[in-house]
Amino acid sequence: KNQVEQSPQSLIILEGKNCTLQCNYTVSPFSNLRWYKQDTGRGPVSLTIMTFSENTKSNGRYTATLDADTKQSSLHITASQLSDSASYICVVSAQAAGNKLTFGGGTRVLVKP
Amino acid sequence: EAQVTQNPRYLITVTGKKLTVTCSQNMNHEYMSWYRQDPGLGLRQIYYSMNVEVTDKGDVPEGYKVSRKEKRNFPLILESPSPNQTSLYFCASRPFPQGEAFFGQGTRLTVV
Repeated sequence: KNQVEQSPQSLIILEGKNCTLQCNYTVSPFSNLRWYKQDTGRGPVSLTIMTFSENTKSNGRYTATLDADTKQSSLHITASQLSDSASYICVVSAQAAGNKLTFGGGTRVLVKP
Repeated sequence: EAQVTQNPRYLITVTGKKLTVTCSQNMNHEYMSWYRQDPGLGLRQIYYSMNVEVTDKGDVPEGYKVSRKEKRNFPLILESPSPNQTSLYFCASRPFPQGEAFFGQGTRLTVV
């Protein structure tokens, strides 16, 4: 069964500090991995998409890494801001009919001043 | 502005009263899908459509119907809503299956 597990479930960090979120997946055959940011009560917004051959991809202060061999990904947030407070969702796409997306449960990040 | 629009944003209804949640995208995307999001369960796919008149079940299709008569619209229909369908619903579209998914702003449905 395809699964995406994220850790931690939640974390609190001080404004200006860095943090790293983890994602482990068992989706097969792998197509791509995405990180989304979801503000409370709003739809997810894409941060990065990585294919099998990409090890790292950045979007401003967000940097995602992918290790396709160990089936792990991380999302690093640099110099956190209050607006980074949100849920971050790891999503893996399978190479199957419809390229179905499997969603992780998300990591809820709270940035405090 | 490229967007996915859902309506209504909030809806409270009674058990058994048919309802439709609309979804429209202006990006000419072929691929559209519906998800529900419940605490502790993440987003789960209800139905998806790869093109006009082509729809298929996702992981949790029971109690839902969809139609895709036009490329831009993908309504979600609850023929006889029940309290266990109380949830936050999202519509999403992609230009092609591997492409970036764009989500609507969500519909919070409460069935009493």
